[in-house]
Amino acid sequence: DAGITQSPRHKVTETGTPVTLRCHQTENHRYMYWYRQDPGHGLRLIHYSYGVKDTDKGEVSDGYSVSRSKTEDFLLTLESATSSQTSVYFCAISEAKQLNQPQHFGDGTRLSIL
Amino acid sequence: ELKVEQNPLFLSMQEGKNYTIYCNYSTTSDRLYWYRQDPGKSLESLFVLLSNGAVKQEGRLMASLDTKARLSTLHITAAVHDLSATYFCAVDSMNYGGSQGNLIFGKGTKLSVKP
Repeated sequence: DAGITQSPRHKVTETGTPVTLRCHQTENHRYMYWYRQDPGHGLRLIHYSYGVKDTDKGEVSDGYSVSRSKTEDFLLTLESATSSQTSVYFCAISEAKQLNQPQHFGDGTRLSIL
Repeated sequence: ELKVEQNPLFLSMQEGKNYTIYCNYSTTSDRLYWYRQDPGKSLESLFVLLSNGAVKQEGRLMASLDTKARLSTLHITAAVHDLSATYFCAVDSMNYGGSQGNLIFGKGTKLSVKP
């Protein structure tokens, strides 16, 4: 299994509080991604990174920011959490140049915002 | 907008039967991926399809890609209970102006195989 660790695995917080989710990889892959999964929507890309300090927006980036100061860590921050951000968040990694290799996913973080 | 549509979204089938899940996408792409997700778990890669006419098989599952029709199929042969899961297809968005490697997912097909 790809070495991807997401933390925390579960979190309950209140509206308006800041929240940071961490994705840590041991594969030295260049590309890292944050998705959210909601019933009826499949997975939607929030932000992605193509290298240290190189990030870009995905399909549903509003209300989220990311940072990548080291190859192995990709942080997702909700500056002021809202109930609409209650979701399951998945981190994924890939060496995108190797097209025959799929993205590998972490175990997810279940985030509830009350 | 690149759209990826799966059907059916829910599928209940009996053990031993065959069925096909369809994945249609709205723009040119020659990279398509199939994933499996068990309840409460992560996504597991099943197949990577990288060219028109590509066919991959693993056990009772076979995936194919027709880039001209913008269609991929996941065929299930003689279903068993262990295949019960949600199956997602995902398309690389590069040909739609996205970055290489960015995936657009279908909504998933929840498969339930009953004895």
